[in-house]
Order: sequence, then structure tokens, then C-alpha cells
Amino acid sequence: DGGITQSPKYLFRKEGQNVTLSCEQNLNHDAMYWYRQDPGQGLRLIYYSQIVNDFQKGDIAEGYSVSREKKESFPLTVTSAQKNPTAFYLCASSIGLTGGTDTQYFGPGTRLTVL
Amino acid sequence: KNEVEQSPQNLTAQEGEFITINCSYSVGISALHWLQQHPGGGIVSLFMLSSGKKKHGRLIATINIQEKHSSLHITASHPRDSAVYICAVRFGNDMRFGAGTRLTVKP
Repeated sequence: DGGITQSPKYLFRKEGQNVTLSCEQNLNHDAMYWYRQDPGQGLRLIYYSQIVNDFQKGDIAEGYSVSREKKESFPLTVTSAQKNPTAFYLCASSIGLTGGTDTQYFGPGTRLTVL
Repeated sequence: KNEVEQSPQNLTAQEGEFITINCSYSVGISALHWLQQHPGGGIVSLFMLSSGKKKHGRLIATINIQEKHSSLHITASHPRDSAVYICAVRFGNDMRFGAGTRLTVKP
């Protein structure tokens, strides 16, 4: 089965701790994305990656970091510098960043709660 | 002002009703996407449009590029259509999302 997976589904962390969210895809997609979703707001882009070993900041990258060491994997670390990390995090992938014609495929999401 | 505005924010319908969800945007776009988010959070892409109209089963999506407006229609709505419907627009390498329309279809 081809798809995009995120783990864990629910994550709790104490204030001041870093936490890493996993995102894996077996669709052979070049581009991957991390979004944050808050109640009543549209998805906001945190980071995206067009190719292995390259990634770019999105609109709200402060307090987050990513890596893209393998095509299949794009983990997101929520650092203690992120002031309001409680949110629903969605990972997505697409064939490539070709300027607007790619469909993005989304993972099931991780709900992070900071206690 | 958000670049993508959806209306209504919430919509409740009776099973069988015809549903319309609207999306307006303020930037020049290369494509518009309609997404469906299930109660568990997973998102599925329904349509990608750059012009005209697309139909898939009971779902119809239209776009008017000149007016910067798109509509998603659901015919013969069913309780399983209950979800959040999200409009997203792509311009260059950027994508902007509406806040979503929460649809509840009652039996």
C-alpha cells in the first residue's frame, strides 16, 4: 500500500522539552511538507523540502527544525523555543514543486499537547 | 484579510439536501484544491481545478478565474459527507488554505 504515515497519533510533552514527529512516505515523492492546524484557522506551512538534503522555511518556521536525509522521511522537531506548540500537525507529500499542478497527499496527522 | 475565504464556516443540512460551499481568493493562482478532512483529522484531496468544472460522483467543483471564486457542490447529501471541507490555492510554490467549512448532514 502506497501512502504517507505519521507517528505517533497523539503526543504529550512537558514544557521545555523537544519532541520529534515522524513522517514517512513510500510514494516516491520528491516534495514533502509540514503544516500546523489550529482551531478556526487554515493550515499554515512550517517547512517544506523539494529534494533530499534540502529544505526551506515556511510561514511559521520559528521554534521548529527539520531534516531530509532520506527521500522517504521528513521528521519535524518541535523545540522548546516554540511558544505555543499545542496543535495538530500534518505532513504531506507531492511528486514535486512544479508550480501548482501537483496534488498533495496528507498523512493522518499528529496531535501534540504540551502539558 | 486572509487570502482565502470560505463560507459558510458551519453548515447543517438534512440528508438528501443539495449543499454549496464557497471559496473566494485574492491572489492569482495556478490551481485550486478542494480537500476533505474527516473527524479523525486525515485529509483527502477531492479536486484540483485550474478552470471550468469537475465532477466526481455526487461532488461537483467549479471555478471562475475572473471572479476568483470556486464552489463545491454536494448533491443528495448523506451523513457520511459530514466533514470539514477546505479550499486551498496554489500560486507559485506557495499554498494558502481557507479555514474550512464544517458540514454536518443529519439523517
